[in-house]
Amino acid sequence: SQQGEEDPQALSIQEGENATMNCSYKTSINNLQWYRQNSGRGLVHLILIRSNEREKHSGRLRVTLDTSKKSSSLLITASRAADTASYFCATDADNYGQNFVFGPGTRLSVLP
Amino acid sequence: EAQVTQNPRYLITVTGKKLTVTCSQNMNHEYMSWYRQDPGLGLRQIYYSMNVEVTDKGDVPEGYKVSRKEKRNFPLILESPSPNQTSLYFCASSPGGLAAFNEQFFGPGTRLTVL
Repeated sequence: SQQGEEDPQALSIQEGENATMNCSYKTSINNLQWYRQNSGRGLVHLILIRSNEREKHSGRLRVTLDTSKKSSSLLITASRAADTASYFCATDADNYGQNFVFGPGTRLSVLP
Repeated sequence: EAQVTQNPRYLITVTGKKLTVTCSQNMNHEYMSWYRQDPGLGLRQIYYSMNVEVTDKGDVPEGYKVSRKEKRNFPLILESPSPNQTSLYFCASSPGGLAAFNEQFFGPGTRLTVL
């Protein structure tokens, strides 16, 4: 069963604009992570936010977590063509931190 | 260079012919995991290992086997591959025994086609 679900499935924006992706999950979590995948390649870790944190920043990335709504958002500011990729949220599915579940991802296209 | 390596990167095989995809990491990580990625389904966890000689099933373990005899290696075995196992496979590792508490480092992927 999928724990995380990203929204939208696909997003197309112009370079310089901000991109926002959302993730919803079903059960309580310890942490939530975001990953990026360039076409067909391995995933790269972007950011981890713990269940007791509400917001976290890393460079042009801003992640929020709302445990009451079981949702998270990833904001990429001032997007660049190089940000074109698929973005996945991932959480532990069993609350013990072992079984790890990814959502289906959001495909972001940044047009020059 | 710290990395996760997988071999082979591409493999075309036929139904029923046993195969092994190797995974190795040089970061002394406790946690290792296998995922498969299919269009529209994201990544689904096949098996994971919290440490040597400790393995457990993920969401889609049917048709797969794993072993963790050494800390650095975590091979994925398909005893009798079928066409529905055609997929892109990723190995990942993470420090500590719990994936959720640390970032995972991914290998480059193995594209498997079963005819």
